[in-house]
Amino acid sequence: AQTVTQSQPEMSVQEAETVTLSCTYDTSESDYYLFWYKQPPSRQMILVIRQEAYKQQNATENRFSVNFQKAAKSFSLKISDSQLGDAAMYFCAYRQTYSMNRDDKIIFGKGTRLHILP
Amino acid sequence: EADIYQTPRYLVIGTGKKITLECSQTMGHDKMYWYQQDPGMELHLIHYSYGVNSTEKGDLSSESTVSRIRTEHFPLTLESARPSHTSQYLCASSEYRTGNNSPLHFGNGTRLTVT
Repeated sequence: AQTVTQSQPEMSVQEAETVTLSCTYDTSESDYYLFWYKQPPSRQMILVIRQEAYKQQNATENRFSVNFQKAAKSFSLKISDSQLGDAAMYFCAYRQTYSMNRDDKIIFGKGTRLHILP
Repeated sequence: EADIYQTPRYLVIGTGKKITLECSQTMGHDKMYWYQQDPGMELHLIHYSYGVNSTEKGDLSSESTVSRIRTEHFPLTLESARPSHTSQYLCASSEYRTGNNSPLHFGNGTRLTVT
């Protein structure tokens, strides 16, 4: 069965600095999708960035980028120039590709709470 | 830019009451989900649906039930609320196209307290 592990329950970073949140996963599949979601306090969970496993190039969205290491099954999120608004729970998620013969599973990690220090 | 709506946002009710948490989306998504989020923030899938008239139980056993009579609507019902049901409930939706899975879109959540 697929699993997603976020080994850092909490992290802190100084405003304007760079921080990396780690995520590892386990799967026997070769094609799948990986996501990072952000859940600010008392606010809606939103998608930060996603990566398709068949793509070698790491995804980037403004200050957010990933380091996708397929062989190591690692999918870390780097936040550059951290801002106070980045304070949130961050969830890593795995989704296997669609198939008629199996259930559509989305596996979430337990989350990392990120604090931004002014 | 919430295209998926949950009501109520907060709910405090007494034990034994029947409640329905509403979830609607305007994106035409086939797949919809209900997650229970525990105090440690971990997400637990309790129900999901592939489309109209499709409902499935998730990984976490739940005393709640769901229905999917219309594509856009996926309500969750507790027949008799208990204090153990106190939690945050998140509804989500996604497209469900062959070979092209899309991310989940989440609602704002319903924070339920059963006294």
